[in-house]
Amino acid sequence: GAGVSQSPSNKVTEKGKDVELRCDPISGHTALYWYRQRLGQGLEFLIYFQGNSAPDKSGLPSDRFSAERTGESVSTLTIQRTQQEDSAVYLCASSFDHLELREQFFGPGTRLTVL
Amino acid sequence: RKEVEQDPGPFNVPEGATVAFNCTYSNSASQSFFWYRQDCRKEPKLLMSVYSSGNEDGRFTAQLNRASQYISLLIRDSKLSDSATYLCVVNGNSSASKIIFGSGTRLSIRP
Repeated sequence: GAGVSQSPSNKVTEKGKDVELRCDPISGHTALYWYRQRLGQGLEFLIYFQGNSAPDKSGLPSDRFSAERTGESVSTLTIQRTQQEDSAVYLCASSFDHLELREQFFGPGTRLTVL
Repeated sequence: RKEVEQDPGPFNVPEGATVAFNCTYSNSASQSFFWYRQDCRKEPKLLMSVYSSGNEDGRFTAQLNRASQYISLLIRDSKLSDSATYLCVVNGNSSASKIIFGSGTRLSIRP
């Protein structure tokens, strides 16, 4: 079946511009996660959605970052007034049932470059 | 001290060798443990979960040592296709913010 998809695959933007990244999770997966991965680094947790519960935003690095999710479907991560340090791969993952931390399925990521 | 620490490597071993790496974690209340594999410029994919009693999947063996707070991954008879970065993942509790990924250990298998 279809996996997690993300768009765009690559985004180049100028410093100060806003960007919106999209994630389509696997159908039926109630949990959705956003991570950031800088070059040569590990994954940095950003935000987590579980069903209709309030999202866990504890990983968002600043108020320039926000995310939304419509029900148990598409999620968008928005970065306002982008800075060069925002350059990274943004990975989205979904899982069936977070409480048991079932396998997370990752999308291919969006590679963001801020000039 | 980082919550999850891994030796970044790279480990460079010949094909057919046995290689092992560890991952240490700081939160003694951590409940779930996993190894993910990430190929260059690709997304991470689950390799295996780590169970308290240790578990094996083909050439791969994972072990958990709660007393010393580390998990290990052993790869026997390594193949060229095993070249990747191996990420240790630790879940402290039911909060997603406590899902911690290690920075990964790079493994390179040479012919």
